[in-house]
Amino acid sequence: DTEVTQTPKHLVMGMTNKKSLKCEQHMGHRAMYWYKQKAKKPPELMFVYSYEKLSINESVPSRFSPECPNSSLLNLHLHALQPEDSALYLCASSQAQAEIGKLFFGSGTQLSVL
Amino acid sequence: AQSVTQPDIHITVSEGASLELRCNYSYGATPYLFWYVQSPGQGLQLLLKYFSGDTLVQGIKGFEAEFKRSQSSFNLRKPSVHWSDAAEYFCAVGTPNYGGSQGNLIFGKGTKLSVKP
Repeated sequence: DTEVTQTPKHLVMGMTNKKSLKCEQHMGHRAMYWYKQKAKKPPELMFVYSYEKLSINESVPSRFSPECPNSSLLNLHLHALQPEDSALYLCASSQAQAEIGKLFFGSGTQLSVL
Repeated sequence: AQSVTQPDIHITVSEGASLELRCNYSYGATPYLFWYVQSPGQGLQLLLKYFSGDTLVQGIKGFEAEFKRSQSSFNLRKPSVHWSDAAEYFCAVGTPNYGGSQGNLIFGKGTKLSVKP
């Protein structure tokens, strides 16, 4: 299994809602990543987890809250988002954080904030 | 600081024609270089990467790229394009996680490839 699975594929939420994005991999990877990609832009790194500990937070607003409950799962909890947070949210994993050349990406969650 | 420039925002080629997508990077040391492809609404798929060694790198789907240090370039090529190659292509430079520094990928802005029948 060489897949990174993200759910849901599409999400529409209001600015007062609380929702969560989920990411799962069963490749035994110990590093997991959240990227944000606005339309017609490259992906931008948000968070990195290494061995289930938060390793990098790229100054992301607190309305985005990551969680890594175990080595296979990565969540992104969303609360009080703004319309400008609408984007494709990509999860990725790699064997280790140093293995930047071997990132496996999921298909993403397309998020629309109304 | 490292950066990646993809000069072409959008390229259109005819099916069967050759393709070259340009990528220039800025990085103080020997870079790790990557090409990713993204179909609409999808994640990114790694086409090929360069870490060291042979400067001509072969990838999946018939793609290749050549690292030219003197030109700070890592251009992607394919001798004969197929309609299914239509997608967004991202060049990226990677910084390794050495000595506690944070490894990361820096992406270019992407080149959209359209293929004419």
